[in-house]
Amino acid sequence: AQTVTQSQPEMSVQEAETVTLSCTYDTSESDYYLFWYKQPPSRQMILVIRQEAYKQQNATENRFSVNFQKAAKSFSLKISDSQLGDAAMYFCALYNFNKFYFGSGTKLNVKP
Amino acid sequence: GAGVSQSPSNKVTEKGKDVELRCDPISGHTALYWYRQSLGQGLEFLIYFQGNSAPDKSGLPSDRFSAERTGGSVSTLTIQRTQQEDSAVYLCASSLMRGAGDTQYFGPGTRLTVL
Repeated sequence: AQTVTQSQPEMSVQEAETVTLSCTYDTSESDYYLFWYKQPPSRQMILVIRQEAYKQQNATENRFSVNFQKAAKSFSLKISDSQLGDAAMYFCALYNFNKFYFGSGTKLNVKP
Repeated sequence: GAGVSQSPSNKVTEKGKDVELRCDPISGHTALYWYRQSLGQGLEFLIYFQGNSAPDKSGLPSDRFSAERTGGSVSTLTIQRTQQEDSAVYLCASSLMRGAGDTQYFGPGTRLTVL
């Protein structure tokens, strides 16, 4: 079974500070993709960052980076220099067997 | 269009009625996905289309749910004899090709409320 677990329902960060969102997953496959999506109140899901499992190097996208630990099946998202516009729900997702599996999400609050 | 559009944005219906939800993908995108997002939950994968065909329908919650795609473009998700547990936001996404090699672009969703 493919599962994605986000153990932090809600987190807060001060503007300009750094925050890390946790995600663990379970799959028996060795080849898969991992994603972080952002969903602001507008409901529009936006891709933040993507990681191919066969790549050892952690993906980065401007202020967003991941810590991909394949053996531990962990895929955390680090947001540096947090901005008010980063406030949203963040979903971790696994792509495997032609399907996407999403975690339950982490609500990120950014305090001015 | 510039992005994925969905209609209606909100739908309130009575238990037992049928509803149709529409998704207009980005022009040229061959893959189209439907998801359901219940309150406070992540996304539940329902079905995907490659062109007009849906190779895997196992994600549909029950036989009351069906989906079709015509002309490789617009898709309709139909829920028959709606139940209160069908209340959720239904999201559609499209990508240039099937698979994780291409980014999925999401629509704004349809919020369905079954009274």
